[in-house]
Amino acid sequence: AQTVTQSQPEMSVQEAETVTLSCTYDTSENNYYLFWYKQPPSRQMILVIRQEAYKQQNATENRFSVNFQKAAKSFSLKISDSQLGDTAMYFCAFMMQGGSEKLVFGKGTKLTVNP
Amino acid sequence: NAGVTQTPKFQVLKTGQSMTLQCAQDMNHEYMSWYRQDPGMGLRLIHYSVGAGITDQGEVPNGYNVSRSTTEDFPLRLLSAAPSQTSVYFCASSYTPTPQETQYFGPGTRLLVL
Repeated sequence: AQTVTQSQPEMSVQEAETVTLSCTYDTSENNYYLFWYKQPPSRQMILVIRQEAYKQQNATENRFSVNFQKAAKSFSLKISDSQLGDTAMYFCAFMMQGGSEKLVFGKGTKLTVNP
Repeated sequence: NAGVTQTPKFQVLKTGQSMTLQCAQDMNHEYMSWYRQDPGMGLRLIHYSVGAGITDQGEVPNGYNVSRSTTEDFPLRLLSAAPSQTSVYFCASSYTPTPQETQYFGPGTRLLVL
């Protein structure tokens, strides 16, 4: 079974600075995807970024980028130029390619951006 | 386009009562699923459906029933509510159950069982 671990329950960052959220996972599969989801106080889950395991190039979406280390099974999220609206819970998630039909989530990291 | 909608937003139940959490989507998505989120935990899959008339169990299905009579709707039924079912419930949908497709989540239903 796949597991996802987020070792930082809470983090804080000053507005405009950079912060990195950590995620490690465990799987014996080779074909999978990794995700970061954002859950603001409104509770709506929003996809931030997606990484395909067979792609070596790290995914980026505007101020959000990942550092994907497949051998180390590590998948960290970097938020640059942090904004107050980035305050949220961030969940790392895993999904197999083919037949899994489910997202496996970590426990989340609560990020607070301070003015 | 309303996306994924869930009703009610909040519900209080007494132990032993039954209720149905509603989920609907207007994006013609084939895949729909229910997750529960408990404090300090990530979301865990309860049930899912890959199309009308097809449902299957997820990681934590006990105490819940689902059916999928239409593409749009995927209700979650609590047969006899227990305090352990106090949680926030999320419905999600996507075109297919593949990781290439973005899953869209509803706003959640907060359930308190006394």
